[in-house]
Amino acid sequence: EPEVTQTPSHQVTQMGQEVILRCVPISNHLYFYWYRQILGQKVEFLVSFYNNEISEKSEIFDDQFSVERPDGSNFTLKIRSTKLEDSAMYFCASSEVHRGSLYGYTFGSGTRLTVV
Amino acid sequence: KQEVTQIPAALSVPEGENLVLNCSFTDSAIYNLQWFRQDPGKGLTSLLLIQSSQREQTSGRLNASLDKSSGRSTLYIAASQPGDSATYLCAVADYKLSFGAGTTVTVRA
Repeated sequence: EPEVTQTPSHQVTQMGQEVILRCVPISNHLYFYWYRQILGQKVEFLVSFYNNEISEKSEIFDDQFSVERPDGSNFTLKIRSTKLEDSAMYFCASSEVHRGSLYGYTFGSGTRLTVV
Repeated sequence: KQEVTQIPAALSVPEGENLVLNCSFTDSAIYNLQWFRQDPGKGLTSLLLIQSSQREQTSGRLNASLDKSSGRSTLYIAASQPGDSATYLCAVADYKLSFGAGTTVTVRA
């Protein structure tokens, strides 16, 4: 079964440093998303991406964050100047149809980001 | 703003019992509802997807119902096994997925 692949599985970074989280969505999916889950809290939406543009973003997704599809397979989330409160599990997801309306979303296994 | 609530927050049952997990949401204008399983520290595994026009969806021992007008979904797991121990998340889709906090299930052998 096709998978969404995320790397690394765990990243530790110093406060103030930049991190890039990487994702390889399912190959025939056109819509890509980032979600995050702070320990003990709900999974929350960050951003959706289609056709090399952000489609929607949440209030969490401020200027500290950016997304990019640098080539035909990768989808990245960059966090500039990380803060302690950015520590969370970050999930990449993809869908074949807009907003997962027909077939739902497929999630990756996540990157656990720890900011120290 | 869509709010998703899952009750109960935790459930512990002996092996073989049936499980009933509840999910409610505030805005019925959704595309679909998806149930996920999450093991500790792991990713989200999709279990069932119910379109907004459907009432029910089944996969093996799992059955999910949807009553969109009342903003409710129920996940039934028949004949529970210790391997079913995990957190089960309900998520409703409008322009994004909105997740509940989950029900943590423990099945005792």
